[in-house]
Amino acid sequence: DQQVKQNSPSLSVQEGRISILNCDYTNSMFDYFLWYKKYPAEGPTFLISISSIKDKNEDGRFTVFLNKSAKHLSLHIVPSQPGDSAVYFCAARSSGTYKYIFGTGTRLKVLA
Amino acid sequence: DTGVSQDPRHKITKRGQNVTFRCDPISEHNRLYWYRQTLGQGPEFLTYFQNEAQLEKSRLLSDRFSAERPKGSFSTLEIQRTEQGDSAMYLCASSKQGIGEKLFFGSGTQLSVL
Repeated sequence: DQQVKQNSPSLSVQEGRISILNCDYTNSMFDYFLWYKKYPAEGPTFLISISSIKDKNEDGRFTVFLNKSAKHLSLHIVPSQPGDSAVYFCAARSSGTYKYIFGTGTRLKVLA
Repeated sequence: DTGVSQDPRHKITKRGQNVTFRCDPISEHNRLYWYRQTLGQGPEFLTYFQNEAQLEKSRLLSDRFSAERPKGSFSTLEIQRTEQGDSAMYLCASSKQGIGEKLFFGSGTQLSVL
């Protein structure tokens, strides 16, 4: 029962171009979403979040878009840098709960 | 802000042995989580504490797993009679309940059961 899905296991992008990472969810009760970045042998690091009352949130090079009707969110990184190469996870939580459900991750490789 | 600290970073043990991991959350955080991650998968929820109360334990956790958070501060996760299938990265995270809440993760404990 995979409630949060990241269907692309990997993505390669040229340095300076846009990286778009996608995430789909099935539970319509999810109302808060987060993106994390993970380097090998380290814990996930928080990147950006979005509440379901918004459809876009921006922080520097990172923008998250939420399409509630499609149950889809995406993370845009522009411009992409080699240091962005990592595994990216999306996570979701239902209102009034505490449990975050994570996707399986997308490995981003930014080519210099 | 010292971040979430986990100890040890790595643990190698033989099948059947008991192991214990420790997590020190960010001091003002009242919520503490344990997650487990295996290769190619995202973090899987194991258990959750609000202050010292363990409010949920995943069905993934067999009776061999136990977690505590005495006095609502640090937490320990113990695995008894380890099995090879327990090999994974065990991640601890903490958060402060409220609007815009986000989880802060530690660096994890990598467990290898031989």
